[in-house]
Amino acid sequence: GDSVTQMEGPVTLSEEAFLTINCTYTATGYPSLFWYVQYPGEGLQLLLKATKADDKGSNKGFEATYRKETTSFHLEKGSVQVSDSAVYFCALSDRASGTYKYIFGTGTRLKVLA
Amino acid sequence: ETGVTQSPTHLIKTRGQQVTLRCSSQSGHNTVSWYQQALGQGPQFIFQYYREEENGRGNFPPRFSGLQFPNYSSELNVNALELDDSALYLCASSFRDVAYEQYFGPGTRLTVT
Repeated sequence: GDSVTQMEGPVTLSEEAFLTINCTYTATGYPSLFWYVQYPGEGLQLLLKATKADDKGSNKGFEATYRKETTSFHLEKGSVQVSDSAVYFCALSDRASGTYKYIFGTGTRLKVLA
Repeated sequence: ETGVTQSPTHLIKTRGQQVTLRCSSQSGHNTVSWYQQALGQGPQFIFQYYREEENGRGNFPPRFSGLQFPNYSSELNVNALELDDSALYLCASSFRDVAYEQYFGPGTRLTVT
C-alpha cells in the first residue's frame, strides 16, 4: 500500500541555518504531496502542496519539489527562525475508490535555537 | 470564512465508556474525514463522509463509527473505549471535487484511563 517515510528527528538548528527535511513516498497511483506543520497543542496547518511531477510548492520561505523519478518531496528553507520550531509532516493523498484520504509520515520535530 | 472547529477540546473517559466527538466543517465543504493521532505519531485515517454516507475507511474496528449531517457537520463515536484510544482526534473538511486539499481542525484530545 501507499506509504510515506520521513527522516527521524529531532532536528536542531541555529537561527538562520539551512533546513532540509527528507521525505520519500511509495504510491501506486499519482498522488498529490503535502507538507503540514503542527505547533504544540494545535492541529495541522497546510504549509505547501504539489499535485503533479516537477511541481514546486512554496510558502513562508519553505519549498518542496515533487520528484517522481526519486519519489521524493524534501522540505527546504534557506534561513530558519525560532518561530519555525514545530513538527513537520509529509503526506500524500491518492484517490482510491473515490476516497481522498491522506497518508502521513511519522513527523519530524524541528527545534531552532536563537 | 469560518474554519474547521471541533468540540470538546479535551476529554477524559474511563475504559469501557462511549464518547462522541463533534466537528463543524469549513463553510461550503461537503466532505469530512477523521484521523487519529497517537502521541509522537502521524495521523491515521479513520474514515471519510460524503453526502451523509461513509466513503472510505481505514484500519479501525467497527466500534469507531460516524455520522455526517445535512449541514455537513460530523460526529465520531467510539464505543467500548480502550486505553490505546487515547489520542488527538482530528477532523478535516474539503470540497469533494478538490478533495486533495483538506483543512484540519484543532483536534480533540481524548484520554482514556
